[in-house]
Amino acid sequence: ELKVEQNPLFLSMQEGKNYTIYCNYSTTSDRLYWYRQDPGKSLESLFVLLSNGAVKQEGRLMASLDTKARLSTLHITAAVHDLSATYFCAVDWGETSGSRLTFGEGTQLTVNP
Amino acid sequence: NAGVMQNPRHLVRRRGQEARLRCSPMKGHSHVYWYRQLPEEGLKFMVYLQKENIIDESGMPKERFSAEFPKEGPSILRIQQVVRGDSAAYFCASSPVVDTEAFFGQGTRLTVV
Repeated sequence: ELKVEQNPLFLSMQEGKNYTIYCNYSTTSDRLYWYRQDPGKSLESLFVLLSNGAVKQEGRLMASLDTKARLSTLHITAAVHDLSATYFCAVDWGETSGSRLTFGEGTQLTVNP
Repeated sequence: NAGVMQNPRHLVRRRGQEARLRCSPMKGHSHVYWYRQLPEEGLKFMVYLQKENIIDESGMPKERFSAEFPKEGPSILRIQQVVRGDSAAYFCASSPVVDTEAFFGQGTRLTVV
């Protein structure tokens, strides 16, 4: 059974600071996603990482993937209040076809002024 | 091109009633996935369907839950004789072909009273 673990689960940080969220998973996979969820809302796709060493950046967020270590990171640079949300990583385990995802528990990020 | 449409957005049912959740995938998408998000948790895969076929229902509870995706019309997730523990957000996602990113709908928030 594929397990996906995120840490930390709760993160409170000051505006302007940097921090990293970690996502470990237990079996090999071709695809890893990062999502953002605001309270009561749906999932917003942030990044899709498809290969070992993949690095993607959008604004203050940067995601990377190390398939050998089975580890992905989401790095936040110079946080701002608007980044407050819950962030999920998800691993695609559809072996033969279809996109079936196992999600981490989520990291609830609060950015304080 | 409208996104994945789910309705209703909010549904309240008394214990023992039936709940029907609908999902219209994005235009041109023939793969549908249902996920459940319990309060303060990540999403859990329930079922993967293609038109008129259930491909993988490994995440579905054994009793009271069923899903379909008919040739015409939306995909339906049906929960019979609801109990308080069924209270959750149910998300649908769709993709155009296998092994491509699936896009999530806004979710249906089911409350069982």
